[in-house]
Amino acid sequence: KNQVEQSPQSLIILEGKNCTLQCNYTVSPFSNLRWYKQDTGRGPVSLTIMTFSENTKSNGRYTATLDADTKQSSLHITASQLSDSASYICVVGSYNTDKLIFGTGTRLQVFP
Amino acid sequence: DARVTQTPRHKVTEMGQEVTMRCQPILGHNTVFWYRQTMMQGLELLAYFRNRAPLDDSGMPKDRFSAEMPDATLATLKIQPSEPRDSAVYFCASGLGTSGLYNEQFFGPGTRLTVL
Repeated sequence: KNQVEQSPQSLIILEGKNCTLQCNYTVSPFSNLRWYKQDTGRGPVSLTIMTFSENTKSNGRYTATLDADTKQSSLHITASQLSDSASYICVVGSYNTDKLIFGTGTRLQVFP
Repeated sequence: DARVTQTPRHKVTEMGQEVTMRCQPILGHNTVFWYRQTMMQGLELLAYFRNRAPLDDSGMPKDRFSAEMPDATLATLKIQPSEPRDSAVYFCASGLGTSGLYNEQFFGPGTRLTVL
């Protein structure tokens, strides 16, 4: 069964600290992996998209990694800011379908 | 600044009433998705269209949900009759592309539905 699991479910850190969010997937055939940021009361916004051949991609202070062999991805946030407080959703796409498999997200809270 | 728009943003209704949610995809996008998000289930795909044709609605309860695209600038999701378990946030997303390729999906702000 195609699944995407994320850990931790929630995370609290202090402003300025780094953190890493994890994503494990069992989606086949794998096509791409995306990380979305969802602020409270808003729709998800794409941070990164990686295909099978890419193992890292950055977007400002966000860096995503992908290990297609172990079917794991991580999202690293550097020098966190209060505005990073949001849910981060790992999403996996498969070939020949537009359907995406969504993780349930990690809720990150950054405190001053 | 091209965005997906959704109306209404909030809707409170009583059980048994009809609910219609509307979405305006980004101009030029040929694929429109409807999702439902709850705390328990996360984001679930309900249905999607390409070039206004429905491609998949297997995620929708067929007896009460219906999705249409009357034209390229409007997608609708209707629930009739609504039930308390339909309470959720409904997102519309649009994208441009061909099936099989990875296509960016741009999400709207959502419609928060509460059925009493």
